[in-house]
Amino acid sequence: AQSVTQPDIHITVSEGASLELRCNYSYGATPYLFWYVQSPGQGLQLLLKYFSGDTLVQGIKGFEAEFKRSQSSFNLRKPSVHWSDAAEYFCAVGKTSSGSARQLTFGSGTQLTVLP
Amino acid sequence: DTEVTQTPKHLVMGMTNKKSLKCEQHMGHRAMYWYKQKAKKPPELMFVYSYEKLSINESVPSRFSPECPNSSLLNLHLHALQPEDSALYLCASSQERLAGGHEQYFGPGTRLTVT
Repeated sequence: AQSVTQPDIHITVSEGASLELRCNYSYGATPYLFWYVQSPGQGLQLLLKYFSGDTLVQGIKGFEAEFKRSQSSFNLRKPSVHWSDAAEYFCAVGKTSSGSARQLTFGSGTQLTVLP
Repeated sequence: DTEVTQTPKHLVMGMTNKKSLKCEQHMGHRAMYWYKQKAKKPPELMFVYSYEKLSINESVPSRFSPECPNSSLLNLHLHALQPEDSALYLCASSQERLAGGHEQYFGPGTRLTVT
């Protein structure tokens, strides 16, 4: 069965500092990987995705993530954090079912606090 | 446009009430999903519809009844809920194709409180 681990429950960074959120997955085949962000009481917004090809993917809001098959990781990075980036971040792996990534398994999330 | 809309934003219902949650998308997506999210937890998949047919039911209690009347609409009918069903209910949609992955787009959710 697939699983996703986000080792950091809570991360605090200063505004303008760099950010890396960790994500490790367990899945037998080539995974479909996603990062979502959720502000309090809101839905999830897709930041970026990895299906195949270039292992460094660019997303919205200046985020990027790198897929490392050897480490089963898909870490999210941003060079300079803004106060508006404070939110909950979820990594997810999509289970392929008849070729469709219908069933997302989410990590437990990382809460990001940004200090002024 | 990648918008999924959900109504109502908030809902308070008693355990004997019947209510419905509504979800709508106009992106031409043929897969639609219901998730339940408790506070400080990740979303949990409840149902998946593919081409208006129920594809996946993650062993959800029968007091939750999904319906997909057309390719743009998804409803979740609620009856005889329990206080532990209080949560944020999220709807999502995605393309549906035989090969390749596709991302899910989420709505803002309905905050449900069962009293």
